[in-house]
Amino acid sequence: AQTVTQSQPEMSVQEAETVTLSCTYDTSESNYYLFWYKQPPSRQMILVIRQEAYKQQNATENRFSVNFQKAAKSFSLKISDSQLGDTAMYFCAFMKPNAGNNRKLIWGLGTSLAVNP
Amino acid sequence: EPEVTQTPSHQVTQMGQEVILRCVPISNHLYFYWYRQILGQKVEFLVSFYNNEISEKSEIFDDQFSVERPDGSNFTLKIRSTKLEDSAMYFCARQIPGLALYEQYFGPGTRLTVT
Repeated sequence: AQTVTQSQPEMSVQEAETVTLSCTYDTSESNYYLFWYKQPPSRQMILVIRQEAYKQQNATENRFSVNFQKAAKSFSLKISDSQLGDTAMYFCAFMKPNAGNNRKLIWGLGTSLAVNP
Repeated sequence: EPEVTQTPSHQVTQMGQEVILRCVPISNHLYFYWYRQILGQKVEFLVSFYNNEISEKSEIFDDQFSVERPDGSNFTLKIRSTKLEDSAMYFCARQIPGLALYEQYFGPGTRLTVT
């Protein structure tokens, strides 16, 4: 079974600085998807970024980028130029896409990020 | 992206009562999911729903739970006899066909409090 591990329960960063959140996963699959979701205090779950395992190029979405190391089964999220609005829980999630009609997400425990002014 | 709404935003119920949580997506969605998040704990998959049928359910999704799409639009999660440990945020998520097939977009969630 697949598992997702986020080893940093809490992190903090100064506004405008860069922070990296860690995620590792365990799977025997070769094709899968990885995601980072953001959950602000409103509890809304917001998709931040997606990475396909078959792509070597790291995904980037504006200030958010990932460092995907397939062999090491590592998928870290880098937030550049941190803003106060980035304060949230960040969840790493795994999906096996070829599982018939089910593509459930398997989640890590989350990292609580505080951006300080 | 297209919106998914969930009602109610907060539900308080007494142990043993039945609750119905609703998810209102746009009609062309085929894939739906229910997840729950107990406060301070990880997000857990409950059930997936494809083309108006359950495609997978987790160990958590026992006889106490059921899902329906009664009118072809609203998508409901029913908990028949609530327990204290059912207190959680319940999220509906949908996938849309096309290039972003593997992306799941979440509704705002329903906070269920069982007393």
